[in-house]
Amino acid sequence: SQTIHQWPATLVQPVGSPLSLECTVEGTSNPNLYWYRQAAGRGLQLLFYSVGIGQISSEVPQNLSASRPQDRQFILSSKKLLLSDSGFYLCAWSTPDRGNQPQHFGDGTRLSIL
Amino acid sequence: QKEVEQNSGPLSVPEGAIASLNCTYSDRGSQSFFWYRQYSGKSPELIMFIYSNGDKEDGRFTAQLNKASQYVSLLIRDSQPSDSATYLCAVNDLFSGGYNKLIFGAGTRLAVHP
Repeated sequence: SQTIHQWPATLVQPVGSPLSLECTVEGTSNPNLYWYRQAAGRGLQLLFYSVGIGQISSEVPQNLSASRPQDRQFILSSKKLLLSDSGFYLCAWSTPDRGNQPQHFGDGTRLSIL
Repeated sequence: QKEVEQNSGPLSVPEGAIASLNCTYSDRGSQSFFWYRQYSGKSPELIMFIYSNGDKEDGRFTAQLNKASQYVSLLIRDSQPSDSATYLCAVNDLFSGGYNKLIFGAGTRLAVHP
């Protein structure tokens, strides 16, 4: 069966510090991968998605970047965090189908910027 | 503008009652519809998906789809306090090509009281 891992679970960072969040998927090949952010009490905002190694699409201009160095690894990064980067970051995967497949979420990383 | 609309709630129902959660979407040609449950502080968990008009039942859950009215609902029978959570409706993004992007509603908070 497929599993998705995200770490760390919780992170407290000062403003201006760098960020690296990692997500890995097991039990499937060539998954579509997604990074979302959820602000407190709000809906899910899609940040990045990827259909293959090195292929990253950005949904919104922001202070963050994403990379996919391996088939089942997806990394979210920032060089300098802002206060507005606080939130609940979720990685998700789906099978590479044309729009009829659900997405499955990792446990998330709760990021607080001080 | 692609939209998925949900009443934010809270929807309060007594234990044992039927909870009815509703969702409308803007893209008439949407084909895939998903319901996720999100407990406070946790990540979304897929509970149902439906692709065809009509009803789909899974245990205490029934998803209902009416494409003509652009309406999808989730019924929870015999509601339990453990069903108290935010329920997210998601619809496939018609214009995402092969990227299987989903558009999420902001969620409806359900509170089941003993």
